[in-house]
Amino acid sequence: DAGVTQSPTHLIKTRGQQVTLRCSPKSGHDTVSWYQQALGQGPQFIFQYYEEEERQRGNFPDRFSGHQFPNYSSELNVNALLLGDSALYLCASSPPGLNQPQHFGDGTRLSIL
Amino acid sequence: QKEVEQDPGPLSVPEGAIVSLNCTYSNSAFQYFMWYRQYSRKGPELLMYTYSSGNKEDGRFTAQVDKSSKYISLFIRDSQPSDSATYLCALYKAAGNKLTFGGGTRVLVKP
Repeated sequence: DAGVTQSPTHLIKTRGQQVTLRCSPKSGHDTVSWYQQALGQGPQFIFQYYEEEERQRGNFPDRFSGHQFPNYSSELNVNALLLGDSALYLCASSPPGLNQPQHFGDGTRLSIL
Repeated sequence: QKEVEQDPGPLSVPEGAIVSLNCTYSNSAFQYFMWYRQYSRKGPELLMYTYSSGNKEDGRFTAQVDKSSKYISLFIRDSQPSDSATYLCALYKAAGNKLTFGGGTRVLVKP
């Protein structure tokens, strides 16, 4: 049973560019959340998708947007990249219901030059 | 002030010792509590999930919750070098959708 898978594993971009990160949830999970983890810090919630809609959003600017597809997979898009966007981007999936434990992928490491 | 506080460590212990980790939180709306383990260059791995005050055991791991003090703990018995990792506490508010994480505690178990 495959867990949460993310692609790519590592990405290098320059300031001002745009990036798309992808996530496939664990089998049986319908909810996908995205987190940003800066070096040496805990993950920070970006947003959560359920039934192809953004259900909740953290304190991130509109440059961060997402999408969920009918097969529950998800994308995170970041426009106009800044140096401060360099981080590990984690996707987590959870089964139906509130307050379900979230299971994480290994993330995409994004480096901005 | 952060909603969830966690000592960053590093915490260094000899193999076989008990590792004691904790988090404090300020908002009584937090009702569900998780502990994750994160190895270098990997995603967080769920270790424990609980919502009741009291203790929950799973193998060498014990999670403890004290809602009245807003304090949660994780104990690792008979620690092994393979337990060397960063440990993150994560909390849900009731009927919430997002996890709020502590900053993580780095643990080093020396052979």
